[in-house]
Amino acid sequence: GQQVMQIPQYQHVQEGEDFTTYCNSSTTLSNIQWYKQRPGGHPVFLIQLVKSGEVKKQKRLTFQFGEAKKNSSLHITATQTTDVGTYFCAAPPGGSGGSNYKLTFGKGTLLTVNP
Amino acid sequence: NAGVTQTPKFQVLKTGQSMTLQCAQDMNHEYMSWYRQDPGMGLRLIHYSVGAGITDQGEVPNGYNVSRSTTEDFPLRLLSAAPSQTSVYFCASSNTPSGGVSEQYFGPGTRLTVT
Repeated sequence: GQQVMQIPQYQHVQEGEDFTTYCNSSTTLSNIQWYKQRPGGHPVFLIQLVKSGEVKKQKRLTFQFGEAKKNSSLHITATQTTDVGTYFCAAPPGGSGGSNYKLTFGKGTLLTVNP
Repeated sequence: NAGVTQTPKFQVLKTGQSMTLQCAQDMNHEYMSWYRQDPGMGLRLIHYSVGAGITDQGEVPNGYNVSRSTTEDFPLRLLSAAPSQTSVYFCASSNTPSGGVSEQYFGPGTRLTVT
């Protein structure tokens, strides 16, 4: 089945440092979504990227979708303690746009921030 | 709106026992899914439903049954619990893409331990 590889598995930063997590797929993706899960919480949707080369920003968060639609990244500028959590990428089965109810999730990147 | 609700929050079972994890949503969403989350494994899809009366298997369906008699409810049944089913279970719902975006809304999760 489809696999979405996410790295790194863990990242510890000092508050104010930047953070990036990467997702890679061997197949072309119709879209990719990003979720954040706070410790002890549930995943919360952040954003969906659809177009090749798309870049979207949410305050200090920048999301990119690769030109080949096989990779994506989430970059956080100047991390804060509120950014702590696990960040997941997720994608529907290859090439089947609209099947976002059966997502394949990356294993996630756990971000910890030292104040 | 309450969103997606799950009961119970915590459950301990003995090997061989059966139980039903409850999930309900009040957003009139068409699609509902069950995921399990294990440390270092991300979220894996167990079963999903595209509407009342229609269900299908995900990546890890063995040992679980589902049914969807109403739009609102999507219970997950463990037929004969095994220690390998110790996990955190999340129910999620979503709707037909609006503006091209179809985010999943997750419930708070059920933490299940099988001894």
